[in-house]
Amino acid sequence: AQKVTQAQTEISVVEKEDVTLDCVYETRDTTYYLFWYKQPPSGELVFLIRRNSFDEQNEISGRYSWNFQKSTSSFNFTITASQVVDSAVYFCALESGGGADGLTFGKGTHLIIQP
Amino acid sequence: DAGVIQSPRHEVTEMGQEVTLRCKPISGHDYLFWYRQTMMRGLELLIYFNNNVPIDDSGMPEDRFSAKMPNASFSTLKIQPSEPRDSAVYFCASSKGRDVTGELFFGEGSRLTVL
Repeated sequence: AQKVTQAQTEISVVEKEDVTLDCVYETRDTTYYLFWYKQPPSGELVFLIRRNSFDEQNEISGRYSWNFQKSTSSFNFTITASQVVDSAVYFCALESGGGADGLTFGKGTHLIIQP
Repeated sequence: DAGVIQSPRHEVTEMGQEVTLRCKPISGHDYLFWYRQTMMRGLELLIYFNNNVPIDDSGMPEDRFSAKMPNASFSTLKIQPSEPRDSAVYFCASSKGRDVTGELFFGEGSRLTVL
């Protein structure tokens, strides 16, 4: 069975602060993929990143960065110099077992960036 | 390029009525997924198709739910009869291939309210 835990239900920070969203996953498979999706107030799900289990290199894309640590089964997401437009619900997701079960999503973290 | 297109965006209906949600995947994508999002349970996979064939429908809540994919460019999710507990946002997503775990492209969702 696979599971994704996003322990932070809601985070509120002031604009320009850095913020890290935590994601812990569980799977018995050695090959798996981790994802982050953003759901802005408009409701759609927007793909942010996919990382496979054999690539532990951290990734940076503009103000976004991801820290993948297999030793702690974590795939954390950091937004640097947050902006009001970053306000959204962020979902971490896991796919393993060859994709037979689709994506397993965490419950999401509601990020509020205050001006 | 057009993304995944879902209709209707919003549906309000009365308990007992039949509801049909529609999805047009991205052209060339051979996998199609239906997800349901609720506050209580988060995002759940209901069913997915590969080349128009249902592969795994273990997430479908009960017999009141059915999904079809008559061709590569169209899928429906039907609820008959609908109940208030079916109120949720239903997302359709498509991808090209699963062996490389391609990115899932989500539609904007169909928000269903059953009174």
